[in-house]
Amino acid sequence: ETGVTQSPTHLIKTRGQQVTLRCSSQSGHNTVSWYQQALGQGPQFIFQYYREEENGRGNFPPRFSGLQFPNYSSELNVNALELDDSALYLCASSLDPSGGVKETQYFGPGTRLLVL
Amino acid sequence: GENVEQHPSTLSVQEGDSAVIKCTYSDSASNYFPWYKQELGKGPQLIIDIRSNVGEKKDQRIAVTLNKTAKHFSLHITETQPEDSAVYFCAAGGAGNQFYFGTGTSLTVIP
Repeated sequence: ETGVTQSPTHLIKTRGQQVTLRCSSQSGHNTVSWYQQALGQGPQFIFQYYREEENGRGNFPPRFSGLQFPNYSSELNVNALELDDSALYLCASSLDPSGGVKETQYFGPGTRLLVL
Repeated sequence: GENVEQHPSTLSVQEGDSAVIKCTYSDSASNYFPWYKQELGKGPQLIIDIRSNVGEKKDQRIAVTLNKTAKHFSLHITETQPEDSAVYFCAAGGAGNQFYFGTGTSLTVIP
């Protein structure tokens, strides 16, 4: 186990609703990255948070937003849910990315979101 | 951006045999290559990684090789066991903050 926790484990929403997913990083890690994993695919990078600010973003629309708190935990918010947002949402924690060395990312168990 | 391709998509081996999964990447700036194992209903678990200043790394039954010139890296699992059955993902990371993942290999070890 990595020590990265996510809640809830499963969630069902309807199209147009909003959802908030939560992640607690591994002890000692100050960086959280969020990924979307569609069925049968590899994880796709949504964004990363470091020092409570967005620190890089993948090819996702603005209705995907996030927060990082002083204790390094993080939230992923998705507005105006679409059917294609159904996926496993993973968060990964890592150490300070500012040192120029790529840091290993450790994943949580994910939140399975189903949009009907 | 980076493009990571992974082959094969499915792989079946007899228990005790070796399994090899191959990945290629496109961005020469990528310098870190982790491999993850994902079991059903769980998040990806790091099993081994390699940085671009190293050509090979081994950890018990698992090894990874990297060819920077050809831009490909491979995962080798020897003496496979039924508990090795899972989906394996390669990934590449470089100058940016994200990792780019392959599409996964579903490995089945037949007892």
